[in-house]
Amino acid sequence: DGGITQSPKYLFRKEGQNVTLSCEQNLNHDAMYWYRQDPGQGLRLIYYSQIVNDFQKGDIAEGYSVSREKKESFPLTVTSAQKNPTAFYLCASSIGQNPYEQYFGPGTRLTVT
Amino acid sequence: GEDVEQSLFLSVREGDSSVINCTYTDSSSTYLYWYKQEPGAGLQLLTYIFSNMDMKQDQRLTVLLNKKDKHLSLRIADTQTGDSAIYFCALPGGFKTIFGAGTRLFVKA
Repeated sequence: DGGITQSPKYLFRKEGQNVTLSCEQNLNHDAMYWYRQDPGQGLRLIYYSQIVNDFQKGDIAEGYSVSREKKESFPLTVTSAQKNPTAFYLCASSIGQNPYEQYFGPGTRLTVT
Repeated sequence: GEDVEQSLFLSVREGDSSVINCTYTDSSSTYLYWYKQEPGAGLQLLTYIFSNMDMKQDQRLTVLLNKKDKHLSLRIADTQTGDSAIYFCALPGGFKTIFGAGTRLFVKA
C-alpha cells in the first residue's frame, strides 16, 4: 500500500529543545511539503522540496529546518528558535508541480511546554 | 497575494443538504480542490473542478464554480454524521497551494 507516514502521532517536548518530525512516502513522488495547522487557520506552508537535495522556504520557515537526502524522506526539525511550536504538523507529497493533488500524512501533534 | 476565504462553521441536521462556500482572489488555477479532514487526521482530496467548468457532480457531492464572482461551493446532499469533518477549499498555484481556513461541518442526528 502506497502512502505517507508521519511519526510519532503525538510528541511532547520541553521548551528550548529541538525536535525532529519524521515524514516518509513510498509513492515515488518528487515533491514534498510541510504544513503547520493551527485552530481556525488554514494550512501554512513551512518548507517544500521539488527534488532530492533541494528545498525552498515557505511562508513561515523561521525556526524550522528540513533536509531532503532521499526521495522518500523529508524530516522537519522544529528548533528552539520557533516561538510558538505547539501545533499540528502535516506532511504532504505530490507527483510534481501543481496542479497535481497533494497526498497528506496523518499528522504529528507537537506540544511544547 | 492570493487569498481564499471560507466561513469557519456550519451546522446541519442529518439528511439535510450542506453547502460550504469559498471565495478567492486569484483565478489562474487550472483546478480548484476540496479536501476533507477528519478529526486528528490528515487531509484527503474529496473532489475537484476544472477551472473551465461551472459544475461537477459526483454522487452526493456537487461543486459549483462561479468564475465571475470568484466563488466556489461544495454541496453535500443527504448529509450523514460521517460527513462531520473540516472541509478545505484549495487553489493550486505553482508549488504553493493556497488553502482556506477550513469549514467545520457539524451534523446533528
